[in-house]
Amino acid sequence: EPEVTQTPSHQVTQMGQEVILRCVPISNHLYFYWYRQILGQKVEFLVSFYNNEISEKSEIFDDQFSVERPDGSNFTLKIRSTKLEDSAMYFCASSEFDWSYEQYFGPGTRLTVT
Amino acid sequence: QQQVKQSPQSLIVQKGGIPIINCAYENTAFDYFPWYQQFPGKGPALLIAIRPDVSEKKEGRFTISFNKSAKQFSLHIMDSQPGDSATYFCVGTSNTGKLIFGQGTTLQVKP
Repeated sequence: EPEVTQTPSHQVTQMGQEVILRCVPISNHLYFYWYRQILGQKVEFLVSFYNNEISEKSEIFDDQFSVERPDGSNFTLKIRSTKLEDSAMYFCASSEFDWSYEQYFGPGTRLTVT
Repeated sequence: QQQVKQSPQSLIVQKGGIPIINCAYENTAFDYFPWYQQFPGKGPALLIAIRPDVSEKKEGRFTISFNKSAKQFSLHIMDSQPGDSATYFCVGTSNTGKLIFGQGTTLQVKP
């Protein structure tokens, strides 16, 4: 069964460093998303992406964040200068149909900022 | 407002029991209400979903009850099994595909 994959599973970085989280969505999906979950809190929407453009972003997704689809398979989230409060689990998701409630999530990348 | 409020935060039932998880929303523009299930170390996965013009939806042992006038909906798990032990999220979906998650309910089903 096709699945969304994410790398790395755990990333430890120092405050102020840049990190890139990688995702490979399901191959025939066209709509991509990033969510994050701070430990013990709810899953929060960060950004949606379609046709090489950001479709919607939350107030969390400030200038420190960017997304990119550098090739036909990868979808990345970059945090330019990490802060302690960026420590969270980051989930990539994809959907086949436009703006579907049925989104397929990857296993997540745990980001720890020290 | 975009919030979805979920309760209880945690729930323990015996095998065969019927756990019930409740949610309330404020945004009347939500057009779908899915439930996602998450096992430790995994991402959330779609379990069942309902449209706001339907009062009940049943899939296997999982049932969503929906009260549009009260802006509330709930998940019932019939004949719960230890394998149902997971975190459950109620979600509101905007017409742009943004998922607004509730806080989550950690369910433990004891053998």
